[in-house]
Amino acid sequence: DAMVIQNPRYQVTQFGKPVTLSCSQTLNHNVMYWYQQKSSQAPKLLFHYYDKDFNNEADTPDNFQSRRPNTSFCFLDIRSPGLGDAAMYLCATSPQREAYNEQFFGPGTRLTVL
Amino acid sequence: AQKVTQAQTEISVVEKEDVTLDCVYETRDTTYYLFWYKQPPSGELVFLIRRNSFDEQNEISGRYSWNFQKSTSSFNFTITASQVVDSAVYFCALSEATGRGSTLGRLYFGRGTQLTVWP
Repeated sequence: DAMVIQNPRYQVTQFGKPVTLSCSQTLNHNVMYWYQQKSSQAPKLLFHYYDKDFNNEADTPDNFQSRRPNTSFCFLDIRSPGLGDAAMYLCATSPQREAYNEQFFGPGTRLTVL
Repeated sequence: AQKVTQAQTEISVVEKEDVTLDCVYETRDTTYYLFWYKQPPSGELVFLIRRNSFDEQNEISGRYSWNFQKSTSSFNFTITASQVVDSAVYFCALSEATGRGSTLGRLYFGRGTQLTVWP
């Protein structure tokens, strides 16, 4: 089945130790999104790629970076995780950047920062 | 300003009860799309329905139904004869068709409603 895959499902890191989360998709979608979701809150968009075009949200901390080496893969790098970065990180894809397109979500990576 | 409001933070019902989740949205666009997503405890958001602003017909899918009313800017979701497996967080979201550049296709989520169905 075509899908969005996130690895790992659970990640534990230490305060200040860089961590990379990965997302892959078999849907061949042009758009890939990264969201941060804290407990009992709505997903918060961090950035997205439209093909190779990177789009950062204005309030996304510089600590968060992303790479998309090809259509299928997208990575979220947290350069120096703080305790406040502990959250669920959701990857989503969409065929095109159009209002009518639903987004397809992966299962998420739950990040714990010690 | 919040574009999507889900006033109910938590709802608890007993199995077989009907339950309605409220969603109120705000937009100046004439063309927009409304979505409902389900987030079970496993964490993955699952797409349930999309509605465009020109189609006010109510929709029914099994035990799920949706009531879209432009006059009140609401897109409410009803689960009939709820089951324990319906326990999840439900998010309502808005996408505006006149977004420009990087905002096009963006989903504006409400804060979600935690539904718990007890056996």
